[in-house]
Amino acid sequence: ETGVTQTPRHLVMGMTNKKSLKCEQHLGHNAMYWYKQSAKKPLELMFVYSLEERVENNSVPSRFSPECPNSSHLFLHLHTLQPEDSALYLCASSQVHDISVGNEQFFGPGTRLTVL
Amino acid sequence: TQLLEQSPQFLSIQEGENLTVYCNSSSVFSSLQWYRQEPGEGPVLLVTVVTGGEVKKLKRLTFQFGDARKDSSLHITAAQPGDTGLYLCAGDSSNDYKLSFGAGTTVTVRA
Repeated sequence: ETGVTQTPRHLVMGMTNKKSLKCEQHLGHNAMYWYKQSAKKPLELMFVYSLEERVENNSVPSRFSPECPNSSHLFLHLHTLQPEDSALYLCASSQVHDISVGNEQFFGPGTRLTVL
Repeated sequence: TQLLEQSPQFLSIQEGENLTVYCNSSSVFSSLQWYRQEPGEGPVLLVTVVTGGEVKKLKRLTFQFGDARKDSSLHITAAQPGDTGLYLCAGDSSNDYKLSFGAGTTVTVRA
């Protein structure tokens, strides 16, 4: 595997379900991100982990719970979601503090989440 | 959060025509990235510009960073259907790890 991978690619869940999204980066980066992308809206940053420590929680509801067990893996645990949470959830990674390339972020293909 | 405005929001052109997409802000960025996203996929990094006034070329795509590092443009020459997608600009402040994304320009190139 190369780059950033995400599983599953598609997920349909009821409002009472519990599910998890998984992200893995094979780039040796030290930061990982969760974004939400809804139709006709800019990318919304949800969480940032730098060196496995959460450094950003962008006012995200507690029904979204991130986990970063190591620098290569990132999870997003979902429970009691609402229909308005339906969106494309994107994971990204970058090598922060490398000023030669700026904060170039490399994205996974996303998980298309539908909440019924 | 620094606001990045992209224009136009939508662009539909015939194959072979040229197009320009703009990305503007009142904030200064240490670098700026351009991404292209196809339906159902994640954004793919096209280029990073870091120096004011910098011009980078990627085949038929030309990227320019404004002298004041507040704005950027993407010009596509002789567009092809494969250029169809959502083009996103993102600005990087050197103080943190976050990118500020524009809302994107949806480009459709008709064969």
